[in-house]
Order: sequence, then C-alpha cells, then structure tokens
Amino acid sequence: GDSVTQMEGPVTLSEEAFLTINCTYTATGYPSLFWYVQYPGEGLQLLLKATKADDKGSNKGFEATYRKETTSFHLEKGSVQVSDSAVYFCALKAGNTPLVFGKGTRLSVIA
Amino acid sequence: GAGVSQSPSNKVTEKGKDVELRCDPISGHTALYWYRQRLGQGLEFLIYFQGNSAPDKSGLPSDRFSAERTGESVSTLTIQRTQQEDSAVYLCASSAIAGRSDTQYFGPGTRLTVL
Repeated sequence: GDSVTQMEGPVTLSEEAFLTINCTYTATGYPSLFWYVQYPGEGLQLLLKATKADDKGSNKGFEATYRKETTSFHLEKGSVQVSDSAVYFCALKAGNTPLVFGKGTRLSVIA
Repeated sequence: GAGVSQSPSNKVTEKGKDVELRCDPISGHTALYWYRQRLGQGLEFLIYFQGNSAPDKSGLPSDRFSAERTGESVSTLTIQRTQQEDSAVYLCASSAIAGRSDTQYFGPGTRLTVL
C-alpha cells in the first residue's frame, strides 16, 4: 500500500539555521503531496502542498518540491525561527482516499 | 467562516465504558474523515464519508469502533467497551470534495484517556 517515510526527530536547531526534513513516499497511483504542521497545543494545519511533478509548494518561508524521479518531497527553510518549533508531518493522497501520513518530525528551534 | 469543531476536547473514561465523539465539519464540505493519533505516532486513518456514498470503514481497528454521519453535517464516532489501547487523540477533518488535491481541514481533536 501507499506509505510515507520521513526522517525521525527530534531535530534541534539554532535560530537562523537551515532546515531540511526529508520525506520519501511510495504510491501506486499519482499522488498529491502535503506538509502539515502541528504547533504546540494547536490542531493540525496545512503548511504547503504540491499536486504534480516538479511543482514547488511554499508558505511562511518553507518550500518543498515534488520530485517524482526520487519519490521525495523534502521540506526546507533557509532560516528557522523559534516560532517554527512544531511537529511536521509529510502526507500523500492518491485519488479518493484518505491522507497517508508519515510519523512526524519534531523540530525545536532555540534562540 | 467557522472551522472544523470537535467535542468534547478531553474525555476520561473507565475501561469497558462506551464513548461518543462528535465532529462538526466546515459547512458545505462533502467529505469527512476520522483519524487517530497515538502518543508520538503519526495519524492513522479510521473511517471516511463522502456525500451519500457508503463510508470507507477500512481503517477501523475493531468492531468496537463505529461512526455515523447525518447527511453532509455532523459525524459521531462511537467506541464501545473502551480499552486502554484506545487512548489517543481522535482527529476529524473535512474537505470540499474528496479529490487527490483537495485540502483537508482538521479539527482540534478529542483527547481520549481510558483508565
């Protein structure tokens, strides 16, 4: 079945450091790819998405590019802030199916 | 407009009791999903409703779990004879349709603790 694998955390970075959270997927169809974020004490919210190969999703300084050849959707940010501390989930959706999530990566950014 | 709401926000129950969790989706959204998030884990799909179609129950972990949805509005997830392993955050999400690119909007979740 479809699956998502993302790097295990926790990830601890200093403010203004570069962030990469790796995500790779396996899907029988042609999925859309998503990054969701869960801030402390808050619900899950969409961060960005991409629906076809080579698309780049971006939001709040975060970016991820849909790479079909490597089946990847790595999340990057050039300069993280303390307020970016959260749990990040990579997910895919292929057709009329539920989202398939990775296990989540906890990011802690220290001042 | 209002987002997805869920109630109660927290529920503590004793092993063997039944519980009901409620989800109010965004108005007009035809698709509604239930997920479970155990501590330190990703989200597990439980059940999915799309319009008037038969629900996709493939993620329900046992026959103690069931869910209903009234038309395109409120949904209730029922867990009978709760067990300690049912302790988790139960998340509801809705989307306008159920296509591959449609964004799902999540509620704040119900934290269930089974003693």
